[in-house]
Amino acid sequence: NAGVTQTPKFQVLKTGQSMTLQCAQDMNHNSMYWYRQDPGMGLRLIYYSASEGTTDKGEVPNGYNVSRLNKREFSLRLESAAPSQTSVYFCASSEGGWYQETQYFGPGTRLLVL
Amino acid sequence: QQPVQSPQAVILREGEDAVINCSSSKALYSVHWYRQKHGEAPVFLMILLKGGEQKGHEKISASFNEKKQQSSLYLTASQLSYSGTYFCGTESPGGYNKLIFGAGTRLAVHP
Repeated sequence: NAGVTQTPKFQVLKTGQSMTLQCAQDMNHNSMYWYRQDPGMGLRLIYYSASEGTTDKGEVPNGYNVSRLNKREFSLRLESAAPSQTSVYFCASSEGGWYQETQYFGPGTRLLVL
Repeated sequence: QQPVQSPQAVILREGEDAVINCSSSKALYSVHWYRQKHGEAPVFLMILLKGGEQKGHEKISASFNEKKQQSSLYLTASQLSYSGTYFCGTESPGGYNKLIFGAGTRLAVHP
């Protein structure tokens, strides 16, 4: 099993450009998440999807959109990238039954917005 | 609100012990601990549950004081492999499956 995979690994964008970060999991998990990680800030939840067909905002959703394409895939879109969105983006998944669940993280996407 | 972790950084020699604290202003259902090595993804260590059940990992243990809304992670007889950044993630009633992470504690273990 590959676990959680993310593409691309690295990306450089110019201000105003758009892009989509892809995430897929092969663990048959119901819940999926997008986080951003900035120095000194820890991991901040952008959006999450408790189950296929549902999405909800996290702590820092502004400037992002998400799509839960199917049970396996959860994408994050930046419509008009800004330098403040320079960060490392992690996708994660969990079984999605109830509380106290382990989250499994992907390897991350490093994004630089110039 | 983001839980507060302390200290921000710790430097140890192999074999020494360390304690990392996590404090929240909100009522907690559980506290999760993750470790992240440089350039890698966070990896699950353990969950501390309301009601006292604890799950452990290697020589790392933890406590959870529900009334004080605090958790502490205990690393005993540290090894070089313990180096990394430790994050606590808090789960509140009504927010199941949603973790709010602290800013992290950087741990460096030297020979």
